[in-house]
Amino acid sequence: QKEVEQDPGPLSVPEGAIVSLNCTYSNSAFQYFMWYRQYSRKGPELLMYTYSSGNKEDGRFTAQVDKSSKYISLFIRDSQPSDSATYLCATSNTGNQFYFGTGTSLTVIP
Amino acid sequence: KAGVTQTPRYLIKTRGQQVTLSCSPISGHRSVSWYQQTPGQGLQFLFEYFSETQRNKGNFPGRFSGRQFSNSRSEMNVSTLELGDSALYLCASSVDSLGTQYFGPGTRLLVL
Repeated sequence: QKEVEQDPGPLSVPEGAIVSLNCTYSNSAFQYFMWYRQYSRKGPELLMYTYSSGNKEDGRFTAQVDKSSKYISLFIRDSQPSDSATYLCATSNTGNQFYFGTGTSLTVIP
Repeated sequence: KAGVTQTPRYLIKTRGQQVTLSCSPISGHRSVSWYQQTPGQGLQFLFEYFSETQRNKGNFPGRFSGRQFSNSRSEMNVSTLELGDSALYLCASSVDSLGTQYFGPGTRLLVL
């Protein structure tokens, strides 16, 4: 079983829609949770970083962690064409070694 | 502040050859991690270096090796290349062990 599972999509939504991206993880010791955005031919860039359970909001992005069900989510409100990218979830227990999902490809249609 | 840089950006090699990839972290960052990214497997952790010492290693064969220099720059070497080694190799740097990782643009390796 992989440490992190992520639906690869692809996901296609109209501009302005609310997008929900999800991952599950296997190790209850994981405490650090991240979402990265990766544009084509670029390296991943950090979007959200949370520690332990709860919600964290940053502009149109909200990250949610439910440790009881080992479920992490990223919500994007008022999605824009510039949000079209691959979104990667990641987690870690020590902060030294990170485990990534395979990524969900998102396209926002104008 | 300059970001993480990786050289070369693209590389074509043939089976059996070896390759060395280079990563320059953000100034002041002492931790450098390497990842392999493929469409099927996603991002897979190779190893992490901190202050010239390898602290963590992923589940890759011994053909994959790395090192870090005193200025925190890091190199990754793959010997006896196989077709399956074709991938995007990413390096990420952070200030310390719990710091946010910042990724470089990657080196795209194609093995023929």
